[in-house]
Amino acid sequence: DAGVIQSPRHEVTEMGQEVTLRCKPISGHNSLFWYRQTMMRGLELLIYFNNNVPIDDSGMPEDRFSAKMPNASFSTLKIQPSEPRDSAVYFCASRRDSGSYNEQFFGPGTRLTVL
Amino acid sequence: AQSVTQLDSQVPVFEEAPVELRCNYSSSVSVYLFWYVQYPNQGLQLLLKYLSGSTLVKGINGFEAEFNKSQTSFHLRKPSVHISDTAEYFCAVTQPASSGNTPLVFGKGTRLSVIA
Repeated sequence: DAGVIQSPRHEVTEMGQEVTLRCKPISGHNSLFWYRQTMMRGLELLIYFNNNVPIDDSGMPEDRFSAKMPNASFSTLKIQPSEPRDSAVYFCASRRDSGSYNEQFFGPGTRLTVL
Repeated sequence: AQSVTQLDSQVPVFEEAPVELRCNYSSSVSVYLFWYVQYPNQGLQLLLKYLSGSTLVKGINGFEAEFNKSQTSFHLRKPSVHISDTAEYFCAVTQPASSGNTPLVFGKGTRLSVIA
């Protein structure tokens, strides 16, 4: 299995530009999570999906952030317009939720720099 | 609501010395507990987990952790560290699946620096 796949691995953009981060979860996993990691705030949950449906988006910072999961094998996190304070590492994770607990697997992350 | 407190943001230790990274959690229901490791410029990797049963849990790379319900702690230990253990370590908590599927809630991390 290829694990959780994220693209791009690095993104440098200018303030005001639209940024789209992509995630492919592990096949058969039905829960997907987007996290943001910064020095100041640590690892924060932004949003998570179960069976492609957003369950909790209370961690999304503001309306500039949006996330979609059009099917079981793909999710996007979009920032429009981007700001320098959005600079962080964004992680996607997936998990197979069934009657018992299963491990949550993380992707390698996308390092976003907004100039 | 659940929360995790990692009491030390940085822990320097000499090679071959023992180390303990502290983690306390807050939850009104039963919990599952985890330790993840993050090597530089990489994603998070599961070290070990406590779901039920024995309170002493053994993980990869010689790490172990002990679940202490009365003290709401889940401290991570290794008897002898190596240079390669230098990394960021995250403690995390979630609720059992019967209570509803919940995401992991992470502490802010402890940076372990092993000194030669």
